[in-house]
Amino acid sequence: GQNIDQPTEMTATEGAIVQINCTYQTSGFNGLFWYQQHAGEAPTFLSYNVLDGLEEKGRFSSFLSRSKGYSYLLLKELQMKDSASYLCAVSGGSYIPTFGRGTSLIVHP
Amino acid sequence: GAGVSQSPSNKVTEKGKDVELRCDPISGHTALYWYRQSLGQGLEFLIYFQGNSAPDKSGLPSDRFSAERTGGSVSTLTIQRTQQEDSAVYLCASSLGGTGGYEQYFGPGTRLTVT
Repeated sequence: GQNIDQPTEMTATEGAIVQINCTYQTSGFNGLFWYQQHAGEAPTFLSYNVLDGLEEKGRFSSFLSRSKGYSYLLLKELQMKDSASYLCAVSGGSYIPTFGRGTSLIVHP
Repeated sequence: GAGVSQSPSNKVTEKGKDVELRCDPISGHTALYWYRQSLGQGLEFLIYFQGNSAPDKSGLPSDRFSAERTGGSVSTLTIQRTQQEDSAVYLCASSLGGTGGYEQYFGPGTRLTVT
């Protein structure tokens, strides 16, 4: 089976940096995805990691450690529009992404 | 180009009725996925298609749920004899391939309410 854990909710201040963690236990591993989902909308792709290390893309970065079953999404220079749910999804042996419950991020002024 | 579309966007039905949800994936995407999301919950995997075949139906919650895909394109998810616990947002996603790091493109979802 697969188990993906991430915090339920986080709050941060506009302009700050926030790190959203994700730990996973899967049967096989073929990559880890992060998606952003605004309330009432569909998830949209943010990042994909299959090798260890940090992938940077603008204000967002994603890190993976396969040996630790751990990833984080780093958001810099937070903006109010970053308030959303952030979903960690792991592609296991079947290649079908399994999603965590998501972390609701609230950015306040 | 056009993204993934789903219809209807909202569906209210009475308990016991059958419903059919439709998904139009991005042209050329061979992989298609159905998920459902209940309020405050994560995405629950239902079924995956590669082309017209469904190698993984493990997520379908009961035999009241079925899905098909024709022409390697449009997919329909059918729920028979709906129950109140079927109320959720049903999301469809497509990707270029079913293996490897292909990102999924999600449709806007169908919000199903069973009264």
